[in-house]
Amino acid sequence: DGGITQSPKYLFRKEGQNVTLSCEQNLNHDAMYWYRQDPGQGLRLIYYSQIVNDFQKGDIAEGYSVSREKKESFPLTVTSAQKNPTAFYLCASSILGRDIQYFGAGTRLSVL
Amino acid sequence: SQQGEEDPQALSIQEGENATMNCSYKTSINNLQWYRQNSGRGLVHLILIRSNEREKHSGRLRVTLDTSKKSSSLLITASRAADTASYFCATDAGGTSYGKLTFGQGTILTVHP
Repeated sequence: DGGITQSPKYLFRKEGQNVTLSCEQNLNHDAMYWYRQDPGQGLRLIYYSQIVNDFQKGDIAEGYSVSREKKESFPLTVTSAQKNPTAFYLCASSILGRDIQYFGAGTRLSVL
Repeated sequence: SQQGEEDPQALSIQEGENATMNCSYKTSINNLQWYRQNSGRGLVHLILIRSNEREKHSGRLRVTLDTSKKSSSLLITASRAADTASYFCATDAGGTSYGKLTFGQGTILTVHP
């Protein structure tokens, strides 16, 4: 099966804790993206990466960090500096030079 | 900031009726895309229209683009209960922002059987 896999589906964070959301793709796509979606809202871009070992901040990068050590993996860490982390997080990928993005099923993060 | 603004925010229709959703944006674009999201799921790409195109069709979907008014519309004809979902427009400004999409806040469509 080709696609994007996000895990876990649900995640709970304690006060002061860093948590990492996983995103893996086997589509051989160069570009990968992380979005945050709040209830009743559209998606806001957190970080994106067009090649391995390189990534760029999106519109709301504060309190988040990413790495891109492998083409197929783009994990997102929600740090303790993110004071309002409760949201639905979506990972996407695309072929560089093509416009369509393919999305994973999302991770819902809540604060305990 | 949100590039796209969509209206209506919510739309409720009967099966078999047509559904029209509108999207306005602020800056020039390379292309505009529409995505669908079922409740609690990821987004699925529906259709893409480039800045030099005015209309595009895909099955029961029809998209128009008016770059002079910075607006687009998505028409779903002969709607079905399975079309119930949120629909988002997303713009790609191109240039140094190529590949980065800016999403609207979405229209929630409910189709009653």
